[in-house]
Amino acid sequence: AQSVTQLGSHVSVSEGALVLLRCNYSSSVPPYLFWYVQYPNQGLQLLLKYTTGATLVKGINGFEAEFKKSETSFHLTKPSAHMSDAAEYFCAVSDQGGGNKLTFGTGTQLKVEL
Amino acid sequence: DTAVSQTPKYLVTQMGNDKSIKCEQNLGHDTMYWYKQDSKKFLKIMFSYNNKELIINETVPNRFSPKSPDKAHLNLHINSLELGDSAVYFCASSQEWNTGELFFGEGSRLTVL
Repeated sequence: AQSVTQLGSHVSVSEGALVLLRCNYSSSVPPYLFWYVQYPNQGLQLLLKYTTGATLVKGINGFEAEFKKSETSFHLTKPSAHMSDAAEYFCAVSDQGGGNKLTFGTGTQLKVEL
Repeated sequence: DTAVSQTPKYLVTQMGNDKSIKCEQNLGHDTMYWYKQDSKKFLKIMFSYNNKELIINETVPNRFSPKSPDKAHLNLHINSLELGDSAVYFCASSQEWNTGELFFGEGSRLTVL
């Protein structure tokens, strides 16, 4: 069975500061990993994904994440936070070849302060 | 022009009632999903249809019945609503079966009193 752990249900950063949202996964088979973002009263939107190949993946809005197999991690970063980044972020995992049956983490609420 | 649209957006009803949520996607995708997000924002897949065929059916009470009249629509019918059914239900679609790239609707918030 797969699982995702997101450390910190709430993260607060200053505008212009580094954003770091942590995600660790558990999977018995090679995983596909994802970050989704949910703005208030909206559905989830894919930020980025890792399937195979390069372990550092870049996504929309300046976000990137690095797959570290040895640490079973897929942390999300952005060098400089913007007010518009305030949202809920979800890490998710699926089996390679397992279809789109995503297992989500419990989410991290990102707050960006002036 | 909304890609994945759900109706209604809000639904308040009494225990024991039957209700439906409709979902339509205009992306031309073959696969559609229903996810449930509980009060703690935990998201869990309920069902998935590929070309109108049920391919994922998680451990969901029989009171929940999905119906896909065509590739562009996936409806969710819930019988005998219970308090624990209160949640936000998200419809999603994907072009490929195995990319993990889902396009979500805005959600339907169901409140059971």
